[in-house]
Amino acid sequence: DAGVIQSPRHEVTEMGQEVTLRCKPISGHDYLFWYRQTMMRGLELLIYFNNNVPIDDSGMPEDRFSAKMPNASFSTLKIQPSEPRDSAVYFCASSLVVRVGGYTFGSGTRLTVV
Amino acid sequence: GQQVMQIPQYQHVQEGEDFTTYCNSSTTLSNIQWYKQRPGGHPVFLIQLVKSGEVKKQKRLTFQFGEAKKNSSLHITATQTTDVGTYFCAGPGGAGGTSYGKLTFGQGTILTVHP
Repeated sequence: DAGVIQSPRHEVTEMGQEVTLRCKPISGHDYLFWYRQTMMRGLELLIYFNNNVPIDDSGMPEDRFSAKMPNASFSTLKIQPSEPRDSAVYFCASSLVVRVGGYTFGSGTRLTVV
Repeated sequence: GQQVMQIPQYQHVQEGEDFTTYCNSSTTLSNIQWYKQRPGGHPVFLIQLVKSGEVKKQKRLTFQFGEAKKNSSLHITATQTTDVGTYFCAGPGGAGGTSYGKLTFGQGTILTVHP
């Protein structure tokens, strides 16, 4: 298994531009999570899906953020328009709820908004 | 919402010394998980504890879940430079600490090991 795959690994964009982060979860995992990590706020849950359905998006900072999961093997997190305070590492993770295995995280996307 | 508090925030040790990080919750947890994140890396699942008073070991790492299921600890015996990283605890994020699907992470303890 290739694990959770995120792209791109690094993204540098100008303020106001649209940013799309991508994630391919582990095949067969029922849950997909988007986290954001910063020094100040640690690991914050933005949104999570169960069987492709968004369950809890209360962590999404504001309307500039949106996430989709059109099928079991793909999810996107979009920021439009981006702002410098969005600079962070964004992690996608997946899990199979019936297993005692925890989350499997992707390698993350380091986003820098200048 | 559910929160897990983790202390200390930082720990510097000499190689060979022991290390402990503590995790506390205001509510009873159905389970608690521990993760390790190497510098520049991503969190990696270490273990899950479910039972009251449970103790699990992984080589030099010892994990404990409190009797009241409100606290947990990770102890590393005789640290090595390969132990460097941030250690996170995470508890279920639902009401009453029961929702498996959603995890709330502690702030983490950053461990540095001086050779």
